[in-house]
Amino acid sequence: SQQGEEDPQALSIQEGENATMNCSYKTSINNLQWYRQNSGRGLVHLILIRSNEREKHSGRLRVTLDTSKKSSSLLITASRAADTASYFCATLHGGSGNTGKLIFGQGTTLQVKP
Amino acid sequence: GAGVSQTPSNKVTEKGKYVELRCDPISGHTALYWYRQSLGQGPEFLIYFQGTGAADDSGLPNDRFFAVRPEGSVSTLKIQRTERGDSAVYLCASSLSAGITEAFFGQGTRLTVV
Repeated sequence: SQQGEEDPQALSIQEGENATMNCSYKTSINNLQWYRQNSGRGLVHLILIRSNEREKHSGRLRVTLDTSKKSSSLLITASRAADTASYFCATLHGGSGNTGKLIFGQGTTLQVKP
Repeated sequence: GAGVSQTPSNKVTEKGKYVELRCDPISGHTALYWYRQSLGQGPEFLIYFQGTGAADDSGLPNDRFFAVRPEGSVSTLKIQRTERGDSAVYLCASSLSAGITEAFFGQGTRLTVV
């Protein structure tokens, strides 16, 4: 079963606007990761945030983590047409149940119009 | 190698046949994951290896699915008596340390059962 749930399922914005995607999960986690998938097949790792971190930046990406709400958000600033892709969060379970298993959500499909 | 390599990239097989999907991880990566992804869905966890052993195979849907990694490097996912419902993209990923570090994905094998 999937652990994370992203919302919205689909997002369409104009180039230059910011895009925000959210991920909620159910159990305690060790870390949360965001991946991108272009139409095609391979996923590309974007950013990893640990359970003791609240915010992380990488270029135009900003990720927040709220463990009390079991949620994370990915913000892409000044979006470009090339950012058009599907974005997935993935969680590594924490605590005694930690098996090293990465569980993915259903993803948000982002379309950036030029 | 430079990245995770999966072969074949596409496989069409008849219902009831046996198939093998191969994954060559990045050299030195001890963790190897198999996922299955259907259109419009997130990657569904199947199994992951730490070294030669299957650390967690809880995602394998039934006993028709089996995976091996005999020397701790290349892995093969084996599907017996294929069914049309097995049609999906099968993704392989590897990482230095299971779940703790980023996972690198291959381009996947698109399996079509006719």
